Amino acid sequence: AQTVTQSQPEMSVQEAETVTLSCTYDTSENNYYLFWYKQPPSRQMILVIRQEAYKQQNATENRFSVNFQKAAKSFSLKISDSQLGDTAMYFCAFMKYNNDMRFGAGTRLTVKP
Amino acid sequence: DTEVTQTPKHLVMGMTNKKSLKCEQHMGHRAMYWYKQKAKKPPELMFVYSYEKLSINESVPSRFSPECPNSSLLNLHLHALQPEDSALYLCASSQDMDVRVDYFYEQYFGPGTRLTVT
Repeated sequence: AQTVTQSQPEMSVQEAETVTLSCTYDTSENNYYLFWYKQPPSRQMILVIRQEAYKQQNATENRFSVNFQKAAKSFSLKISDSQLGDTAMYFCAFMKYNNDMRFGAGTRLTVKP
Repeated sequence: DTEVTQTPKHLVMGMTNKKSLKCEQHMGHRAMYWYKQKAKKPPELMFVYSYEKLSINESVPSRFSPECPNSSLLNLHLHALQPEDSALYLCASSQDMDVRVDYFYEQYFGPGTRLTVT
């Protein structure tokens, strides 16, 4: 079974600064996808970024980037120039071939003005 | 249109009631999902439908009965629930995976139905 671990239950960052959220996973699969989802207090889950395991290049989406270390089974999310609207619960997620997606416990991020 | 809609937004039901949750998408997605999310916890997968066929059932109690009448609609029928079933129920949809090239697609989530069982 796949497990996803987020070891930081809560984090805070000052507006305009950079923060990194950690995620590790365990799997015996060779092909899989990793995602970071954001769930603001209004509760709708929004995709932040995705990473294909077969790609060595780290994914980036504007202020969001990942550091994907396949051998170490690590998938961290870096948020640059943090904004107040980034305040949310962030979930790391692992998906394998049959649309089976599993989430980590989440990291609650607070961006302070 | 990248929206997944869910109705109702809130539902309070007694343990002897029968109710249904509804989820709809018009993005042409062929995979649809039900998740259960307790407060301050991650979503837990309940069911996956692929091309209107149930492909994953995560050993969910039979008091939860999913139904996928067509590719745009997903229902969750509720009967004889327990207070511990109170949670946020999330629906999601995605393109089904492309087995030819081993490509998976991200899921789009609805806003959820907040269910309270009294």
